[in-house]
Amino acid sequence: AQSVTQLDSQVPVFEEAPVELRCNYSSSVSVYLFWYVQYPNQGLQLLLKYLSGSTLVKGINGFEAEFKKSETSFHLTKPSAHMSDAAEYFCAVSGPPGNTGKLIFGQGTTLQVKP
Amino acid sequence: EPEVTQTPSHQVTQMGQEVILRCVPISNHLYFYWYRQILGQKVEFLVSFYNNEISEKSEIFDDQFSVERPDGSNFTLKIRSTKLEDSAMYFCASSEVADTIYFGEGSWLTVV
Repeated sequence: AQSVTQLDSQVPVFEEAPVELRCNYSSSVSVYLFWYVQYPNQGLQLLLKYLSGSTLVKGINGFEAEFKKSETSFHLTKPSAHMSDAAEYFCAVSGPPGNTGKLIFGQGTTLQVKP
Repeated sequence: EPEVTQTPSHQVTQMGQEVILRCVPISNHLYFYWYRQILGQKVEFLVSFYNNEISEKSEIFDDQFSVERPDGSNFTLKIRSTKLEDSAMYFCASSEVADTIYFGEGSWLTVV
């Protein structure tokens, strides 16, 4: 069975400070990895994804994530936080490739951006 | 940009009533999903649907739930006899080739 652990339920940062949201996964098969963002009272928006190839993936709004298979991690980073980045962030895993595409989500991390 | 659309955005229903949540997936997508998010909890998979049949379902998706693709564009989730614990945000999602999944804005269901 697959699982996702987001190590922090809340991450407070100051505006313009770097951001790191941590995600670890567990799976016995090859995986696809995703980060979604949920703004208040809105749906889930795809931020970035790792399917194959380069382990450093870039997404929207200046976010990027690095797939580290040896550490089973897929941490989300951004060099400089903006107030508009305040939201809930979900890490998710699916796989193996060719499966139904079902996503398993982590508990979510609330990014709080302080002025 | 194509998007998944869901209706209604919010529905309040009495316990025991039937509810139908509707979704229009992205037009060229072949894989369809329903997820739910109980307030304050993580997003949970309910069911996936491909080639006019359920391809996978979770333990949550019991006999009171059903899905249907009644025509070429809509995808519905029916809850036959709602319970208080069914109160949640229900997300419809779709994917072209079951790798990248796109979500709708969600339908808030409140059971009273």
